[in-house]
Amino acid sequence: EIVMTQSPDTLSVSPGERATLSCRASQSVSSNLAWYQQKPGQAPSLLIYDASTRATGIPARFSGSGSGTEFTLTISGLQSEDFAVYYCQQYTDLWTFGQGTKVEIK
Amino acid sequence: QVQLQQSGPGLVKPSQTLSLTCAISGDSVSSNSGAWNWIRQSPSRGLEWLGRTYYRSKWYYDYADSVKSRTTINPDTSKNQFSLHLNYVTPEDTAVYYCAGGAGTIDSWGQGTLVTVSS
Repeated sequence: EIVMTQSPDTLSVSPGERATLSCRASQSVSSNLAWYQQKPGQAPSLLIYDASTRATGIPARFSGSGSGTEFTLTISGLQSEDFAVYYCQQYTDLWTFGQGTKVEIK
Repeated sequence: QVQLQQSGPGLVKPSQTLSLTCAISGDSVSSNSGAWNWIRQSPSRGLEWLGRTYYRSKWYYDYADSVKSRTTINPDTSKNQFSLHLNYVTPEDTAVYYCAGGAGTIDSWGQGTLVTVSS
């Protein structure tokens, strides 16, 4: 099983600033990596797929990068609606998720 | 647009079987490009993929190692739905269970069902 590890567990950021979230895979997943955002009481929603492609309707302030085992989600100019929990998911070998990074208001 | 509607009990006794159903609209459970998954989420285990079924000229089934020995996912083509059966549940199986559509990324989600395992 491919293990996904996210860091940090919690990120405190002021509105308008940049947030950088990391995701590491225990073995190469190529670019088969997605990022999801989850708000309380809701299912996660897709932000990024194939490591760097924004899903339909996702603002340009969300960007993804990386390949192999190291990936980054960057949120530029955080807005109030961006404070949430973010998960990475690999889909090279079945599916596994990271444990999540909570982005909270500083 | 695919919509998934979950149904099933919210309370299951220890050692019994957890059964949930997911009805699909806007796609077919027999689609040659889709896949139909079950995922659960709990504070202790986070997001955990449980398994999937998909049709590529025949039916395929994949399960997570953590639940493989006690999980079955079944498609029902007559009702365009699929189900989850998790046997011999314990309190550690208490979670919000989601059905989800997608072969790579998750394209659609059910509304989630909180299942509590308790006597």
